[in-house]
Amino acid sequence: DAGITQSPRYKITETGRQVTLMCHQTWSHSYMFWYRQDLGHGLRLIYYSAAADITDKGEVPDGYVVSRSKTENFPLTLESATRSQTSVYFCASSPPRTGSSGNTIYFGEGSWLTVV
Amino acid sequence: TQLLEQSPQFLSIQEGENLTVYCNSSSVFSSLQWYRQEPGEGPVLLVTVVTGGEVKKLKRLTFQFGDARKDSSLHITAAQPGDTGLYLCAGANAGNNRKLIWGLGTSLAVNP
Repeated sequence: DAGITQSPRYKITETGRQVTLMCHQTWSHSYMFWYRQDLGHGLRLIYYSAAADITDKGEVPDGYVVSRSKTENFPLTLESATRSQTSVYFCASSPPRTGSSGNTIYFGEGSWLTVV
Repeated sequence: TQLLEQSPQFLSIQEGENLTVYCNSSSVFSSLQWYRQEPGEGPVLLVTVVTGGEVKKLKRLTFQFGDARKDSSLHITAAQPGDTGLYLCAGANAGNNRKLIWGLGTSLAVNP
């Protein structure tokens, strides 16, 4: 049961470079998310997707691009990395139905990105 | 803007002690979740509470949803070093329950 995997786990890049963080899930969950986690700000939603070819902005989308051509993949691209995008990035997924117990979000292990 | 305030931010206790973590808001949520995050890993769901006044137990952890569905608490009895981690609460709205409102977390250290 591979679950949800992110790559790379650790990345150092230079300001201005394009960086893509990959996310792959094996559960066929319809919903996928990208969060960043920073001290003092907690988890903030960057983008999310309800299904293939459907994406929507979260709380902090500026400087990021996402795509979802296949249900299982949800890559996040930083078009021109800035130091303020140094963070831990978490990909997550959630099944389509919400029962009375609410919806569970399953997180990947995170991608540590440093922009120098 | 909806906010979830967690308190305390940091907690360091000895093994065997009891503790309570709070998650408060001025807004009503349709459900509230508690996650635990260990260093170097993503958050993992512990419980979801949906009904006002609901109490759920998970071994030594007791979760309660406020009657008005604006607040929640997590009580740990006889804490163990394995309970160490970041505890996060997250609220969901009926309108869009995929865009959770997250608290900043409570960092718990249980010392042996």
